[in-house]
Amino acid sequence: DAMVIQNPRYQVTQFGKPVTLSCSQTLNHNVMYWYQQKSSQAPKLLFHYYDKDFNNEADTPDNFQSRRPNTSFCFLDIRSPGLGDAAMYLCATSRQGGYNEQFFGPGTRLTVL
Amino acid sequence: EDQVTQSPEALRLQEGESSSLNCSYTVSGLRGLFWYRQDPGKGPEFLFTLYSAGEEKEKERLKATLTKKESFLHITAPKPEDSATYLCAVQDDYKLSFGAGTTVTVRA
Repeated sequence: DAMVIQNPRYQVTQFGKPVTLSCSQTLNHNVMYWYQQKSSQAPKLLFHYYDKDFNNEADTPDNFQSRRPNTSFCFLDIRSPGLGDAAMYLCATSRQGGYNEQFFGPGTRLTVL
Repeated sequence: EDQVTQSPEALRLQEGESSSLNCSYTVSGLRGLFWYRQDPGKGPEFLFTLYSAGEEKEKERLKATLTKKESFLHITAPKPEDSATYLCAVQDDYKLSFGAGTTVTVRA
């Protein structure tokens, strides 16, 4: 089945220790998104890619970076995690153009000690 | 800025007790209104897209409707497996703006 895969599902890191979360997709969608979702809150868009074109949300902290080496893979790098960065990180994909639904991965739960 | 407000925050139902969830929104140019289901510790699962006022869509015990200012998700004769958080989102250009969700608990 075509899907969005996120690894790892659970990540524990220490305050200030860089961490990388990964997302891969078999849907062949050219748009990929990263969201942050804190407990009982709405998912918040961090950035997205149209193919290789990177689009950063204005309020996304500089501490968050992303890479997309090819159509299938996308990475979220948190350079110096703080306690406030503990959250669920969701990757999503969609087809470009029109009014297309986004398909989400299972998420990575990040804990910062 | 787009705003999405969902109510109630939580809903506890007996099995078979029908109810409705509300999603009110303000958006400059609505390109679509989306409903998702999210189970604890998992990513949102797509349910419906609605594009224009008056549109309705159904899937099993769920029915979504849309007006110019709000959308409703009706749950008819719910079962315990319908327990989840239901998220509403509006699309303006590329971006989805989500509400905080309604957490539904259905007791047998």
